[in-house]
Amino acid sequence: GAVVSQHPSRVICKSGTSVKIECRSLDFQATTMFWYRQFPKQSLMLMATSNEGSKATYEQGVEKDKFLINHASLTLSTLTVTSAHPEDSSFYICSARDLGGGVQETQYFGPGTRLLVL
Amino acid sequence: GQNIDQPTEMTATEGAIVQINCTYQTSGFNGLFWYQQHAGEAPTFLSYNVLDGLEEKGRFSSFLSRSKGYSYLLLKELQMKDSASYLCAVRANTGGFKTIFGAGTRLFVKA
Repeated sequence: GAVVSQHPSRVICKSGTSVKIECRSLDFQATTMFWYRQFPKQSLMLMATSNEGSKATYEQGVEKDKFLINHASLTLSTLTVTSAHPEDSSFYICSARDLGGGVQETQYFGPGTRLLVL
Repeated sequence: GQNIDQPTEMTATEGAIVQINCTYQTSGFNGLFWYQQHAGEAPTFLSYNVLDGLEEKGRFSSFLSRSKGYSYLLLKELQMKDSASYLCAVRANTGGFKTIFGAGTRLFVKA
């Protein structure tokens, strides 16, 4: 099946610094990628939809100036958490839609990035 | 907006069958997904339904009724490794496609 990778898998940073997370679709092109955040024992919360070549669409309550999204190519989207604070500590997961050729459309998830802000 | 409901927790016995229900309310419905998520890991895709009826895939089956806003995931011949959270997710076209997740059902399989 299709593969989505994320880097880094785990990051620890100091409060006030910025952290960039990369999401890549390895064997398919993804015009749309999604960024989710998951707190412990909670479900995935959609943060934003990343569109190749255009601005991301943010969900209500998500600060676009704090969570910068860039979808530079059909296989890469990045999420930058700017001026991170301890409350931003969470599991960030990206997802990409594979539209190519199959009977079923499937949304594949990356392995996630665990962010800890001290 | 969208609303997705599923039970918080379920317990079942190894070898048995369990059905996890999901009800949803949304406009612009464009498909329903089931994912399995083990603690500390990302979700893995199980099934996708966009038309009414039952989709069978090995030990897992998923059913959809669009008129009732209802789906279930059926797990047969339960194994201990099936202990995980099962996430019901609905994709909707509301001026752009997006997939929203339910809170998940934690399934405990006991010997």
